Amino acid sequence: DAGVTQSPTHLIKTRGQQVTLRCSPKSGHDTVSWYQQALGQGPQFIFQYYEEEERQRGNFPDRFSGHQFPNYSSELNVNALLLGDSALYLCASSLASLLSTDTQYFGPGTRLTVL
Amino acid sequence: GDSVTQMEGPVTLSEEAFLTINCTYTATGYPSLFWYVQYPGEGLQLLLKATKADDKGSNKGFEATYRKETTSFHLEKGSVQVSDSAVYFCALSENTGGFKTIFGAGTRLFVKA
Repeated sequence: DAGVTQSPTHLIKTRGQQVTLRCSPKSGHDTVSWYQQALGQGPQFIFQYYEEEERQRGNFPDRFSGHQFPNYSSELNVNALLLGDSALYLCASSLASLLSTDTQYFGPGTRLTVL
Repeated sequence: GDSVTQMEGPVTLSEEAFLTINCTYTATGYPSLFWYVQYPGEGLQLLLKATKADDKGSNKGFEATYRKETTSFHLEKGSVQVSDSAVYFCALSENTGGFKTIFGAGTRLFVKA
């Protein structure tokens, strides 16, 4: 059973460019959350998708957008890249529930470097 | 807003020493509390969790008790091993019509043989 997978593993972009990161959730999971982890920091919540809609959002600008497909996979898009967007981007999947106790399974992340 | 504060690292211990990593939180409601671990070169994984006051989460010899009166969730292990060397994150999650997880900054643990 494959866990959460993310692509690409590493990415280098220049300021002002746009980037798309991809995530496939663990089998059976229908909810995907995205996090940004700067070097030496804890992950920061970006947003969560369920039933192809954004259900919850953290304090990130509109440059950060996402999408969830019918097969529950998800994309994170970042427009007009800034140097400060350089980070490890983590995807986590879980099973939809009204409880906040459901376990999230994290992918290995995509390392984005903005030059 | 909700937040998590954990002790700064790095923490360096000798093998078989006792470990405590402090974590306190601020939340408006009744969150669930978690400890995640990130081993070198690996992804983030759940270590243990507690969903209500006085619950004790435990796994792999690690324990943490949800203390509502002190808003704390300290991680403990009686005897650490070299293989426990990793970064540990305290986190909380609240249901606000969907839920998001708030992480602390992480505490790096080094265990020497």
